[in-house]
Amino acid sequence: EIVLTQSPGTLSLSPGERATLSCRASQSLTSSYLAWYQQKPGQAPRLLIYGASSRATGIPDRFSGSGSGTDFTLTISRLEPEDFAVYYCQQYDSSPPTFGGGTKVEIK
Amino acid sequence: EVQLLESGGGLVQPGGSLRLSCAASGFTFRTYAMSWVRQAPGTGLQWVSAISGSGGSTYYADSVKGRFTISRDNSKTTLYLQMDSLRAEDTAVYFCAKVTTTSCYGLRCSMDVWGKGTTVTVSS
Repeated sequence: EIVLTQSPGTLSLSPGERATLSCRASQSLTSSYLAWYQQKPGQAPRLLIYGASSRATGIPDRFSGSGSGTDFTLTISRLEPEDFAVYYCQQYDSSPPTFGGGTKVEIK
Repeated sequence: EVQLLESGGGLVQPGGSLRLSCAASGFTFRTYAMSWVRQAPGTGLQWVSAISGSGGSTYYADSVKGRFTISRDNSKTTLYLQMDSLRAEDTAVYFCAKVTTTSCYGLRCSMDVWGKGTTVTVSS
C-alpha cells in the first residue's frame, strides 16, 4: 500500500501568516488522486481539496493544493483563527486508500 | 442539507459483535458509494471499508477483512457496518462518509460529507 508522509508534524504560525504543508507518497500517484482534509478536536474531517488541486464546495480560496507524482502541497495563504487544526492528506490513487499521519497547525 | 448520522457504537468485550448504522439524508443516496473510516484515540485516520451505490461491490482494509461486513439499504437510505470478532485494536471513532462524485464506485474516492462519528470501545 502507498504510505503518505506528512511534514512537518507541527507548524507553529501566527494568524495572517502563510502555511505550507507537505505530503509525500511512497509511490507515484499517477492520476493525482490526492485529497486534503481539515479536522478540529472532537469533529469529523472536512474535505478541503480533491484531485490534488480542486477546492471542495464552500472552501475559501485561501486554501490551495498543488503537486503531482509523489510530492503534494497544501497552502493556506493567510491563516485565519479558524484554520488552526490538524490537516490530513489522503491518496485514493490505488487500493487501499491511505491517509498521512497529519500536520498540526498551531497558534504561535 | 446533506447529513450523515451514525449510531450503534458502544462498549463490547473482545470477540464480541456490534452493528453500526449511518442514516443519510439530503442527497440521492443510491447514486453514491459510501465508506467507513475510523480513528483510534489520539491517532490518525484509517479507511475501513467501502460499498458501491448499488451495494453490489464491497471493499475492505486487510485489517478487517473476514470480520467486518459493509452493507446498505437504499430504500432506508442507511449504511451499515457489521463488526464481528472484535479486537482491542478496533477501538476507535467510526465515521461514515459519502464519496465526492457519483462516478466514483467506492475505492478511488475522496469523501466530501462525514458524519460526527460513533465510538466503539473493545475491552474486557
